[in-house]
Amino acid sequence: NAGVTQTPKFRILKIGQSMTLQCTQDMNHNYMYWYRQDPGMGLKLIYYSVGAGITDKGEVPNGYNVSRSTTEDFPLRLELAAPSQTSVYFCASSPGVASGNQPQHFGDGTRLSIL
Amino acid sequence: ELKVEQNPLFLSMQEGKNYTIYCNYSTTSDRLYWYRQDPGKSLESLFVLLSNGAVKQEGRLMASLDTKARLSTLHITAAVHDLSATYFCAVDERDSNYQLIWGAGTKLIIKP
Repeated sequence: NAGVTQTPKFRILKIGQSMTLQCTQDMNHNYMYWYRQDPGMGLKLIYYSVGAGITDKGEVPNGYNVSRSTTEDFPLRLELAAPSQTSVYFCASSPGVASGNQPQHFGDGTRLSIL
Repeated sequence: ELKVEQNPLFLSMQEGKNYTIYCNYSTTSDRLYWYRQDPGKSLESLFVLLSNGAVKQEGRLMASLDTKARLSTLHITAAVHDLSATYFCAVDERDSNYQLIWGAGTKLIIKP
């Protein structure tokens, strides 16, 4: 049972490059989230989605974009990478309202360095 | 704006001792979550607390929620080295589409 799968696990980018962080879940969860975690800190919500075709900004959306064309996939796009985007990125999913207050399930994270 | 504060942020303790981690939040919420994160790893759900007075226990960990005081505690009984990790609390703001606001985490080191 895969759960939430993130790729790649590690990546080094040069300033100004772009990339897409992939996230897929096989639990048929409606809700999906992207977080960033800076060293020694808690998680900050970047974007979230409550279902296919629906996305919304979280606390720190600047410099990122998302799309949700299917229930399973929720990619995060970085345009014009900047050193401030060096972080660990976590994707998470949850069933949402229909299944009560179940916790979010997390992927293993993508460790991204911008040099 | 909902804020979540944990204390202490760092805790070093001996095996066999008891201790409590505190999680305060600033606005009305009925849903609080505790997660564990090992170094370099993902986050693992420990407890979901959904109502005032909720108490949940798993092994040496016990979590409680007081929504009137806007306070949750994570109590560690007779700590063992395997419980060394960073513990996060997160609060689900009402009518927020299940967005969680996270505390900064408590890094717990348990020495033999």
